[in-house]
This record gives sequence, structure tokens and C-alpha cells, in this order.
Amino acid sequence: EAQVTQNPRYLITVTGKKLTVTCSQNMNHEYMSWYRQDPGLGLRQIYYSMNVEVTDKGDVPEGYKVSRKEKRNFPLILESPSPNQTSLYFCASREFRGRKDTQYFGPGTRLTVL
Amino acid sequence: AQKITQTQPGMFVQEKEAVTLDCTYDTSDPSYGLFWYKQPSSGEMIFLIYQGSYDQQNATEGRYSLNFQKARKSANLVISASQLGDSAMYFCAMNLRGSQGNLIFGKGTKLSVKP
Repeated sequence: EAQVTQNPRYLITVTGKKLTVTCSQNMNHEYMSWYRQDPGLGLRQIYYSMNVEVTDKGDVPEGYKVSRKEKRNFPLILESPSPNQTSLYFCASREFRGRKDTQYFGPGTRLTVL
Repeated sequence: AQKITQTQPGMFVQEKEAVTLDCTYDTSDPSYGLFWYKQPSSGEMIFLIYQGSYDQQNATEGRYSLNFQKARKSANLVISASQLGDSAMYFCAMNLRGSQGNLIFGKGTKLSVKP
């Protein structure tokens, strides 16, 4: 089954404690990205990756890091989380097939930073 | 800059009836894609349908169809034969082809299906 997986699904942590949210896709897509969703602000892109070892900032990259060492995985790293990073996070994987462009989202990670 | 507008914060529809969710967009780029996503209360974002700006025909995926009116810059989602499981938030989104792929989302419409 084609899917994007994220772990953990729920996380409560404290300010300053480094954490990593993993993302994996089994569709061999080159393009992956991270979004956060906040009430009143909608979904905003944090980082994206066009391929292995190629990453770039999205609209709200401050406080986040990513890496893309292999095609299937795209972890999101919060080196020193702060309460304003409390949010719902989505990983997405993008597919181009002919004229069709599709972005599949993972199930989401609810992060609370105390 | 690209912008998506969804003017209906909430809508009700009777089970088995059809419903149209409105979406207008703004871009000066001729090459773009339009998307609809469903977000149930459990939180996941489910891809429903895609329409490319150069596609001549309206996209359809099962009970979902996208009413694409390029001159009006509208991309309304039509759900036929509504089911109770269709109750959810629905987001319209767009991106530019060949871009970083950044999806720009609207604020969403909350659809409630009544039995």
C-alpha cells in the first residue's frame, strides 16, 4: 500500500529538549516536504526536499532542521523546541505523473511543547 | 502572490444530496495546479482531486468532481450523493508547476452531512 508514515503521532515535550519527527514514504518519490497547521494560520510549508541531499527552506523554517540522506526518509528535527512550535505537523510526498501533480500527506504529528 | 479563498466557513447538506464547496484562486502564473483535501476530525489530510491549469476537462474522482472555470479563477468541489462519512473540513489548495511545490491552502470549509 502506497503511504506516507510519520512517528510519533503524538508528542508532549518540554522546552529545549531536542526531538525528531520521522517521515517515510514507500512510493519512491523524489520530492518531500514538511508543513505545520495552526488555527487561523492554516498550513504552511517548513522545508522541502527535491531529492536526496537537496533541501531548502519553505515559508516558516526558523527553529527547524531537516535532512535527506535517502530517498524514502525525511526527518524533521527541532533542536531546541519552544512553545510556539506547538502545532500539528504533516509530512508530504509529491508525485509527478504526466500532467498530474499529487501531494500525499502523512497522518500528522501533534506536538505540544510545554 | 498566490491566494486561495474559501468563502464558506461551514455548510450543511442532507445525506444523499449533492453539495458544492466554493474555491477561488488568484495567481498571475499560467501554469498551476489546484487540489482539494479532506481533513476529518481525526486530523489526517486526505487527497481528493487534482486539476491542472492546462487540463481541458474537469477532473473527476469517484463521487468528487472539480468544476474548473479558468476565466473566473474558480475551482469548486462537487460531492455527489453525500454520505455521513463526508462530514469533515475541506481545503482547497494550489501550487505552481515547476516551483518548490509549496501548496497554498485556503482556510477551509466545514461540511456537515445530516442524516
